[in-house]
Amino acid sequence: GESVGLHLPTLSVQEGDNSIINCAYSNSASDYFIWYKQESGKGPQFIIDIRSNMDKRQGQRVTVLLNKTVKHLSLQIAATQPGDSAVYFCAEVGGYSTLTFGKGTMLLVSP
Amino acid sequence: KAGVTQTPRYLIKTRGQQVTLSCSPISGHRSVSWYQQTPGQGLQFLFEYFSETQRNKGNFPGRFSGRQFSNSRSEMNVSTLELGDSALYLCASSYQPSSGANVLTFGAGSRLTVL
Repeated sequence: GESVGLHLPTLSVQEGDNSIINCAYSNSASDYFIWYKQESGKGPQFIIDIRSNMDKRQGQRVTVLLNKTVKHLSLQIAATQPGDSAVYFCAEVGGYSTLTFGKGTMLLVSP
Repeated sequence: KAGVTQTPRYLIKTRGQQVTLSCSPISGHRSVSWYQQTPGQGLQFLFEYFSETQRNKGNFPGRFSGRQFSNSRSEMNVSTLELGDSALYLCASSYQPSSGANVLTFGAGSRLTVL
């Protein structure tokens, strides 16, 4: 498949483990954040979002934590599955929904 | 419903040529954005269109341009191609409600190789 990035930080986990992917953002005025997942050969796919008036939001098997004090986001994936293998990006949402993406983290899940 | 459709999926050009990429947004979506993805720079915003008007532009040279048609379909053009323009070009569309979350849905991208 097509590579979306070389020398990305990589997190390798075993199937069934919980995964935590971290992201630092730059704009302290940002009030809306999104996590995207990108599989090989595909465009980014929405996973979960969070507004700055929250510090935690849960979805199906995923949880996003927001720490505005240190400008840090994390994505927690419970019971990671091989299908979760992908590159994960956090994004700050600016005016007109313009996204500023982080560098991405590659998640590799071994059966 | 159909997702965001980008054409062509792959293309090869030589330096100095120009290229036009096409994007059909999700039906009912009026905002179209374009992003460039490279291994070195990651995902970078190019421009955003809404109702045929460019509302926002990223930090790219004037060789990169775009437009949106009345049916919300969009095209982007890169003139005088350089080797560094080799990238995956992603289009995203959104509904743009007056309030609430506005999530972008991405297409699979057009992979441009410049030789």
